[in-house]
Amino acid sequence: DVKVTQSSRYLVKRTGEKVFLECVQDMDHENMFWYRQDPGLGLRLIYFSYDVKMKEKGDIPEGYSVSREKKERFSLILESASTNQTSMYLCASSPGQAIYSYEQYFGPGTRLTVT
Amino acid sequence: DQQVKQNSPSLSVQEGRISILNCDYTNSMFDYFLWYKKYPAEGPTFLISISSIKDKNEDGRFTVFLNKSAKHLSLHIVPSQPGDSAVYFCAASPNYKLSFGAGTTVTVRA
Repeated sequence: DVKVTQSSRYLVKRTGEKVFLECVQDMDHENMFWYRQDPGLGLRLIYFSYDVKMKEKGDIPEGYSVSREKKERFSLILESASTNQTSMYLCASSPGQAIYSYEQYFGPGTRLTVT
Repeated sequence: DQQVKQNSPSLSVQEGRISILNCDYTNSMFDYFLWYKKYPAEGPTFLISISSIKDKNEDGRFTVFLNKSAKHLSLHIVPSQPGDSAVYFCAASPNYKLSFGAGTTVTVRA
């Protein structure tokens, strides 16, 4: 069974703080993704990574950065948290392009509140 | 601009009846479609998928239909059970990146 874990289930931060969200997968997947989920908007892709140290912007990268130093770990960084970044953050992973599989496996999510 | 749209935010259905969830897409490059189910405070879990070379895929109580000419897909759940109460997301992809719809909340009434 694929397991994707996220460092925190709930997080409360103040405006202007630097925030780190960590994600770890145990299936040796090439691809990792960060989404945010907001009511009425579904899941929106923030950043993704298709290999160690490789990253690409998703649909809403502004205000975020990412780091992938090891294959199993993908970090999302909020450089200076703002109230409009209050959301549910979901990490996912999937096999590489060599394997014909579009299915992504999700972690349980981190509910971030910025006050 | 959302390329995948689920126009019904909610659906209420009686236990034992059929649930039909709809999804429309605009990008003709999409060639693979998936449905995910999400319970509160949990991550989405994969439910069923369909490739664009097919028009139907069935897995137990779940069937997905694809109408490429209309750029429309639907998920049928028969019979609906209380455990099916969740948010369902439609997703589509031309590669390993997925575009998601806004979700439909299904409530199954006893």
